[in-house]
Amino acid sequence: GQQLNQSPQSMFIQEGEDVSMNCTSSSIFNTWLWYKQDPGEGPVLLIALYKAGELTSNGRLTAQFGITRKDSFLNISASIPSDVGIYFCAGRAGNQFYFGTGTSLTVIP
Amino acid sequence: EAQVTQNPRYLITVTGKKLTVTCSQNMNHEYMSWYRQDPGLGLRQIYYSMNVEVTDKGDVPEGYKVSRKEKRNFPLILESPSPNQTSLYFCASSHGQQETQYFGPGTRLLVL
Repeated sequence: GQQLNQSPQSMFIQEGEDVSMNCTSSSIFNTWLWYKQDPGEGPVLLIALYKAGELTSNGRLTAQFGITRKDSFLNISASIPSDVGIYFCAGRAGNQFYFGTGTSLTVIP
Repeated sequence: EAQVTQNPRYLITVTGKKLTVTCSQNMNHEYMSWYRQDPGLGLRQIYYSMNVEVTDKGDVPEGYKVSRKEKRNFPLILESPSPNQTSLYFCASSHGQQETQYFGPGTRLLVL
């Protein structure tokens, strides 16, 4: 299967700091997605990106679809305690979805 | 309320005993999918379905079967479970593969 490399694996930050995480792939994707998963629940979509170069914001979250279509990043500005969770990138190729290994975010008040 | 439901939420079974995990959605979605989540590996797609009677293999289909006889239901069948199928399973649905996927609450399976 296709490999998505997501980094960093985990982050510990102070409340109010900005966060950046990224995902790279060995293959081209048609769509890049960013999800957040809270403990004991399924992933919830944060941002969807459909075109190379696209930059999209959702509140304090900003994500970009890389020009090469093989990478994407997610930024969270001014982190708050409820940002805690695991963040996953995902790419769509055809009708299939491939997920990254996740970034565990801890926000210290 | 729009939702994806899965049953059971927790299941302990023994090797070789056939089991079915049900998934149902009330949003009239065409696309449905099953994933397994394992530590350090993220989510991996097992099977997906573009519509009724249309199913396709995902990245890790070995040891699993699915069916899509009705639009709202997409059960996951393990004919002969093995310990390496111990995992957290998620069902998801969307209007099309391009649209937002809604995930169910997950089914935690332990195969002894």
